[in-house]
Amino acid sequence: GQSLEQPSEVTAVEGAIVQINCTYQTSGFYGLSWYQQHDGGAPTFLSYNALDGLEETGRFSSFLSRSDSYGYLLLQELQMKDSASYFCAVVTGRRALTFGSGTRLQVQP
Amino acid sequence: GAVVSQHPSRVICKSGTSVKIECRSLDFQATTMFWYRQFPKKSLMLMATSNEGSKATYEQGVEKDKFLINHASLTLSTLTVTSAHPEDSSFYICSVEGGANYGYTFGSGTRLTVV
Repeated sequence: GQSLEQPSEVTAVEGAIVQINCTYQTSGFYGLSWYQQHDGGAPTFLSYNALDGLEETGRFSSFLSRSDSYGYLLLQELQMKDSASYFCAVVTGRRALTFGSGTRLQVQP
Repeated sequence: GAVVSQHPSRVICKSGTSVKIECRSLDFQATTMFWYRQFPKKSLMLMATSNEGSKATYEQGVEKDKFLINHASLTLSTLTVTSAHPEDSSFYICSVEGGANYGYTFGSGTRLTVV
């Protein structure tokens, strides 16, 4: 089976940088994705890493190390609207996503 | 990426009744759709993979006779919660694999409350 671990909660202030880590154990690994979900809303796609290294998309960056079964999401210049839950998810050969437990990010003024 | 419409967004039903949730892929022909369930402050758990024109594939522990899935066309999958009970109250979300880099698009979700 698959399992993904990430911190349950992170708190940071506006303008700061925060890193959310994710470690995974899975078979048939294709890549690691990150999703953002605001309370009551649907998850929205943030990033995907299939290869080792850093992928940057605006204020958000995501990193993957396949040898360490580890990745992280980096959020820069935090804004209040970034307060949400963030999920890492693995894509396996079955094509469905398996989600981590989620990290609740609270951005404070 | 794909555009996914899910309906209804919110439903309250009495215990013992059935509820149907629709998931439509508006601009993308989806041979496969995925159904997830999410309890408050918890992660999304895959319930089943809906396959157009064939039977759905259910995850371990998900009762296929209770959660009926029909995927009769390339744009529509339905999830019917039969004989609903209060413990079935949850947030149900569908998704479609669409876009580059394994970007899955999710419906807006259905908040089911069974009273």
